[in-house]
Amino acid sequence: EAEVAQSPRYKITEKSQAVAFWCDPISGHATLYWYRQILGQGPELLVQFQDESVVDDSQLPKDRFSAERLKGVDSTLKIQPAELGDSAMYLCASSFLYPLAASTDTQYFGPGTRLTVL
Amino acid sequence: AQSVTQLGSHVSVSEGALVLLRCNYSSSVPPYLFWYVQYPNQGLQLLLKYTSAATLVKGINGFEAEFKKSETSFHLTKPSAHMSDAAEYFCAVRGPADSSYKLIFGSGTRLLVRP
Repeated sequence: EAEVAQSPRYKITEKSQAVAFWCDPISGHATLYWYRQILGQGPELLVQFQDESVVDDSQLPKDRFSAERLKGVDSTLKIQPAELGDSAMYLCASSFLYPLAASTDTQYFGPGTRLTVL
Repeated sequence: AQSVTQLGSHVSVSEGALVLLRCNYSSSVPPYLFWYVQYPNQGLQLLLKYTSAATLVKGINGFEAEFKKSETSFHLTKPSAHMSDAAEYFCAVRGPADSSYKLIFGSGTRLLVRP
């Protein structure tokens, strides 16, 4: 069964350092999502791509976070510089159809990257 | 604006007992609702989803949920808990078109299963 891949699974860094997370969605999935999940809370959307284009990045702290999906396949989320409050699980998800075409389309989640900022 | 509220951050049941996890939603349009499960240090797995086809939705692992418009609820149930059901459960509502249909999650309910 196809799965969403993420790496690394765990990352420990010091504040002010740069970190990057990678996500490879299920093959053929047009839409890719990055969520942040703070301990004890539900995931919150950071950024959503449709192919290589950003559809929604309204909750992305653009002063320190950036995301790209250059060829419309895999994606990278970067934080520079990292802050203590960025400690969280970063989840990537993908879905087959374009978001505006199928509001009930299932999002498939990867295992996540747990970031700890010291 | 769409939102979900999960009542009870922790629920503890005995093995073999009924599982009931509560979710209430707020939506200005007919909602699309989802339940996901998350095991420790793993991503989220879809249990079931409501897409207006039927009010009683059956999912994986013996779980089901009933959509009740009059109560704005979408509670998750399982007749008999198993030790392997211990996990965190998230209810989510699909946002409106102007938010690109993003998923809006509740804060989660951790299910503990006692032997």
